[in-house]
Amino acid sequence: EVQLVESGGGLAQPGGSLRLSCAASGFSFSSYSMNWIRQAPGKGLEYISFISSSGTTIYYADSVKGRFTIFRDNAKNSLYLQMNSLRAEDTALYYCARRRAHSSGCDYWGQGTLVTVSS
Amino acid sequence: AIQLTQSPSSLSASVGDRVTITCRASQGISSALAWYQQKPGKPPNLLIYDASTLQSGVPSRFSGSGSGTDFTLTIISLQPEDFASYYCQQFNNYPPTFGGGTKVEIK
Repeated sequence: EVQLVESGGGLAQPGGSLRLSCAASGFSFSSYSMNWIRQAPGKGLEYISFISSSGTTIYYADSVKGRFTIFRDNAKNSLYLQMNSLRAEDTALYYCARRRAHSSGCDYWGQGTLVTVSS
Repeated sequence: AIQLTQSPSSLSASVGDRVTITCRASQGISSALAWYQQKPGKPPNLLIYDASTLQSGVPSRFSGSGSGTDFTLTIISLQPEDFASYYCQQFNNYPPTFGGGTKVEIK
């Protein structure tokens, strides 16, 4: 069974940092590109970042570029999001999601980890 | 970034109704579009990928169509479990932007 389990969320001060993790199981993690997507309370979905299966191709949304870093450890079946210079508007539920192979869509999502940025 | 405009943003419908949600892209995206359903407190669930292909396990009352800039998600006979929010997402260009969502409520 495919499982994605996020962790690392919590309360951070403006300007602070957090590192999110996503533990993958039930599939060949190193064969799939992965994504971080967030959802502010009561709002829609916002795409944050993409990383290819090998980690060599990375994209960021403009809203987080220069502040967030996505990376992965295929040996540990894990995806990460290093979040620096946090802002109040980064407050959201953060999901990791697997990109469906060779097609358009994210077919598995974790349950999310909540990040709250507040003083 | 490509903008996706969903309409309507919300709708009220009854069980058994046919429901249509549209997603318009700011530029052509071929068939690189996915549709998701999201229920409160849950992550999104992939319904349709590549604009018209039904994800495994998704009921056949859901269908997707379109290419280029105009896309449609249709639910042919709305069931009680279909009351939820629906989102489109394009994958033609990075970042893979989402539409603003459509909330389907009970009439």
